[in-house]
Amino acid sequence: QSALTQPASVSGSPGQSITISCTGTSSDVGGYNYVSWYQHHPGKAPKLMIYDVSKRPSGVSDRFSGSKSGNTASLTISGLQAEDEADYYCNSYTTSSTWVFGGGTELTVL
Amino acid sequence: QVQLVESGGGVVQPGGSLRLSCAASGFTFSSYGMHWVRQAPGKGLEWVAFIRFDGSDKYYTDSVRGRFTISRDSSKNTLYLQMNGLRTEDTAVYYCAKRGDSGIYSFDSWGQGTLVTVSS
Repeated sequence: QSALTQPASVSGSPGQSITISCTGTSSDVGGYNYVSWYQHHPGKAPKLMIYDVSKRPSGVSDRFSGSKSGNTASLTISGLQAEDEADYYCNSYTTSSTWVFGGGTELTVL
Repeated sequence: QVQLVESGGGVVQPGGSLRLSCAASGFTFSSYGMHWVRQAPGKGLEWVAFIRFDGSDKYYTDSVRGRFTISRDSSKNTLYLQMNGLRTEDTAVYYCAKRGDSGIYSFDSWGQGTLVTVSS
């Protein structure tokens, strides 16, 4: 159960777009369309931003979008805002009937 | 609205035991699978365990299997995590999370977490 691979940090200026990648294997990301993404402000509860690769829960801004190609999933945030500064985690269901998170990406809005 | 409130965290010596609770409200608890997720200091999120809505199946990450037990009491709308044989590497904030409504393989509601510190 190795963690999915995410970049440790990304940054962007307000209004710009950024993309966070999440690389796994055919046993997790590549095996199912069950990738989800979470926003986590330190000290608060994580928040679901994307589920099933590209679906947005009610109430989540359409500036957040998700996609997948092979064993790599991606989260794109367009029109960056200061409030988007947080840690972001991907997650995937696995062929072992377990779940695995990525190592997390710290997003800095410059 | 969904509310999940964890409790039971604290300081325990290596080899000791602790039972975490997660009180659920605002949804039909007996209809949803539930998870425990943890975050060690300075580290990322780690999935720990899942229990099906009726308690019929339970799944664990390798590092806790055989030491931790997830359970639920639908009459009390409460999720539990019994942690035995605790190790220093189990030190973390433990969150309970609800299975997603639409995305059933996601976690759509989370508690605020309870801190477990394993130290001598």
